[in-house]
Amino acid sequence: SQQGEEDPQALSIQEGENATMNCSYKTSINNLQWYRQNSGRGLVHLILIRSNEREKHSGRLRVTLDTSKKSSSLLITASRAADTASYFCATATSGNTGKLIFGQGTTLQVKP
Amino acid sequence: GAGVSQSPRYKVAKRGQDVALRCDPISGHVSLFWYQQALGQGPEFLTYFQNEAQLDKSGLPSDRFFAERPEGSVSTLKIQRTQQEDSAVYLCASSVKAGYTEAFFGQGTRLTVV
Repeated sequence: SQQGEEDPQALSIQEGENATMNCSYKTSINNLQWYRQNSGRGLVHLILIRSNEREKHSGRLRVTLDTSKKSSSLLITASRAADTASYFCATATSGNTGKLIFGQGTTLQVKP
Repeated sequence: GAGVSQSPRYKVAKRGQDVALRCDPISGHVSLFWYQQALGQGPEFLTYFQNEAQLDKSGLPSDRFFAERPEGSVSTLKIQRTQQEDSAVYLCASSVKAGYTEAFFGQGTRLTVV
């Protein structure tokens, strides 16, 4: 079974706009990661945020984590058509092997 | 190779056939994971290896699913007597060590059972 939910399920924006995706989870975590998946391809790791961190940046990506609400958000600024993909959050729980529990994903379409 | 390699990329099997899916992880990576991704869903964990030891197989859906990694590098996921509900993309991932590092995913094997 999957960890939680992501919303929205689908998002369509114009190039240059910002895209925000949210993820909720159920159990205590050690870290939360975001992955991107282009159609028919494998997942690509984007960013990892640890449970003791609240915000992290990587290029045009900004991730926040609120452990009290068990939620995270991914912000992509100044979106490009190449950002069109599905985005998944994944959690790693404390003391485990690195097994990830994924959300159901948000499908992002960026129109040129 | 530079990344995680999976073969075949596509597999069509008749119901009842056995299939074997191969994963070549990044050289030197200790941890190897198998995930199953149904259409429109996020990946779901199947099993985990640390070197050659299968430490977690809690996600395998039935005893028709079997995975091995005999020499701690290449892994094979075998599905016996395939059924239509086994149709999915099977993803392999590896990471440098056990624990909390990022995982590198292969492109997956799309299995269609007809």
